[in-house]
Amino acid sequence: DTEVTQTPKHLVMGMTNKKSLKCEQHMGHRAMYWYKQKAKKPPELMFVYSYEKLSINESVPSRFSPECPNSSLLNLHLHALQPEDSALYLCASSQLRGREKLFFGSGTQLSVL
Amino acid sequence: QQQVKQSPQSLIVQKGGISIINCAYENTAFDYFPWYQQFPGKGPALLIAIRPDVSEKKEGRFTISFNKSAKQFSLHIMDSQPGDSATYFCAARSPGGAGSYQLTFGKGTKLSVIP
Repeated sequence: DTEVTQTPKHLVMGMTNKKSLKCEQHMGHRAMYWYKQKAKKPPELMFVYSYEKLSINESVPSRFSPECPNSSLLNLHLHALQPEDSALYLCASSQLRGREKLFFGSGTQLSVL
Repeated sequence: QQQVKQSPQSLIVQKGGISIINCAYENTAFDYFPWYQQFPGKGPALLIAIRPDVSEKKEGRFTISFNKSAKQFSLHIMDSQPGDSATYFCAARSPGGAGSYQLTFGKGTKLSVIP
């Protein structure tokens, strides 16, 4: 199993809504990542978890709240988003240092109205 | 400051031709250089990658050429096919926290292979 599974695939939410994005992998990877990708742009790193602990937060606004309940799951809780937060949100996972492959999920296409 | 510069922004190649995408970097701490292929509505998928102590790596129709002294690397797609039409991102890796790592992406090249 070399898949990173993200749900939902599409999400439309209002600016007052609270929603969560989910990510799951069963490759035994101990590093998990959230990226944000705007149309025609490269992915931008948001958060990194290593051994279920937040190791990198790229100055992401607090309306995005990550959570890593266990080594296979990664969530991104969304609250009071802005229309400019509309983007493709990608989850990725990897082994830790020395194992280079970063596996991406297919992403959640988020639209904030 | 963009740390990985990628060109061209878009590329149109005839079927059977060679597609060439170039990247340049400045940070000498980068220690691994992957290329990702992304189709619309999908996440990026690792295509091929190279370490800086190797000058060339070939996998099927895909070849990375790496010039450490010039801090440049490129992707060559031989015998390009319409199914290769996608956006290609070069990237460079640097250490992250607690054993993880960070990828810095180029801005991407949209490749169109026409029959």
